[in-house]
Amino acid sequence: AQSVTQPDIHITVSEGASLELRCNYSYGATPYLFWYVQSPGQGLQLLLKYFSGDTLVQGIKGFEAEFKRSQSSFNLRKPSVHWSDAAEYFCAVTAGGSYIPTFGRGTSLIVHP
Amino acid sequence: DAGVIQSPRHEVTEMGQEVTLRCKPISGHNSLFWYRQTMMRGLELLIYFNNNVPIDDSGMPEDRFSAKMPNASFSTLKIQPSEPRDSAVYFCASSPVAGVVDTGELFFGEGSRLTVL
Repeated sequence: AQSVTQPDIHITVSEGASLELRCNYSYGATPYLFWYVQSPGQGLQLLLKYFSGDTLVQGIKGFEAEFKRSQSSFNLRKPSVHWSDAAEYFCAVTAGGSYIPTFGRGTSLIVHP
Repeated sequence: DAGVIQSPRHEVTEMGQEVTLRCKPISGHNSLFWYRQTMMRGLELLIYFNNNVPIDDSGMPEDRFSAKMPNASFSTLKIQPSEPRDSAVYFCASSPVAGVVDTGELFFGEGSRLTVL
């Protein structure tokens, strides 16, 4: 069964600083990978996804993520964080043939002014 | 376009009472998921429906929990009797094809926050 690890429970950055949120997965073949964002009191919203092809994918709100097969990682990045980016971020993986995503525990992003 | 609609947004009840949470998926979506979110356990899949049929209910905690999808536009999650440990945010999500592999996206509702006293 696939699994997802987000090693950082909390990340604190200053507004305008760059951001990288880590995600590692465990699955034998190439998975389908996703990043979701959850603002307080809201449901999850898709930021970006990777299925195949270019390993650097662009998403909404200026986010991008890079799939690295050798490291089993799919880290989320943003060059300059805005205060409105403060939220919970979830990495998810769906293994080929499975219709059910497995979610990581989430990383809480705190943005200081 | 309307997103996934959940009701109630907040529910406070006493232990032993029956709780019913409701979900209206996005029109045309044929897969529906119920998740539970807690600080301790994170986001847990409870049950997954495809074309109104329960496909995977292995995440349903116990017999106190039941879920139905009588038609393509409505689903319920019922807890009877409720217990304090059921306190959580319950999310409904829908997807437009047989599996997320095709679309890559689940569309989540805003959740129902349940507090059992």
